[in-house]
Amino acid sequence: KAGVTQTPRYLIKTRGQQVTLSCSPISGHRSVSWYQQTPGQGLQFLFEYFSETQRNKGNFPGRFSGRQFSNSRSEMNVSTLELGDSALYLCASSTGRDQETQYFGPGTRLLVL
Amino acid sequence: SQKIEQNSEALNIQEGKTATLTCNYTNYSPAYLQWYRQDPGRGPVFLLLIRENEKEKRKERLKVTFDTTLKQSLFHITASQPADSATYLCAPHTGRRALTFGSGTRLQVQP
Repeated sequence: KAGVTQTPRYLIKTRGQQVTLSCSPISGHRSVSWYQQTPGQGLQFLFEYFSETQRNKGNFPGRFSGRQFSNSRSEMNVSTLELGDSALYLCASSTGRDQETQYFGPGTRLLVL
Repeated sequence: SQKIEQNSEALNIQEGKTATLTCNYTNYSPAYLQWYRQDPGRGPVFLLLIRENEKEKRKERLKVTFDTTLKQSLFHITASQPADSATYLCAPHTGRRALTFGSGTRLQVQP
């Protein structure tokens, strides 16, 4: 089976812009979770989508949003980018059972200037 | 509040020795706990899952223990190799649907 893929792998944006990141889960996985990773805060949960519905949400501002399509692919959007949004954004897929093993993609490295 | 603690200082060991990493948690009782490995700039990779009724779990050179009394999990890599150098993250089951990860411990194995 192909692993989790994320596009783009690297992105440079300026403050105030918005960005959309994409994630394709492992075939058959219906749950997609997004995480932000920074050196200071570690790996932090953003949100989880299951069957096109947001099932769980972390403690991030409303500028961070996401969606999931019928084929389980997911997108994450960040509006009005701030310098502090520079991070590695990781998506992970699973079949959707509670806190089971997550399979992570390679991540998208976002730099906000 | 629930807290997960991993040694933030890097662990440096010589090749061939056993590396031992610690994961402590407070204010909850996880039913299971997972360990992941992360290389720089890459996503974490699942290694092992241990349940509360399992004292120890092994996979090749890896061994995980789970002490629910001490609220601690230990992760051992025996006969360590430079290729084992990475950051290791623990993720105790918190009762919420999303995984919560510790901050990770960086392991450096010197040849």
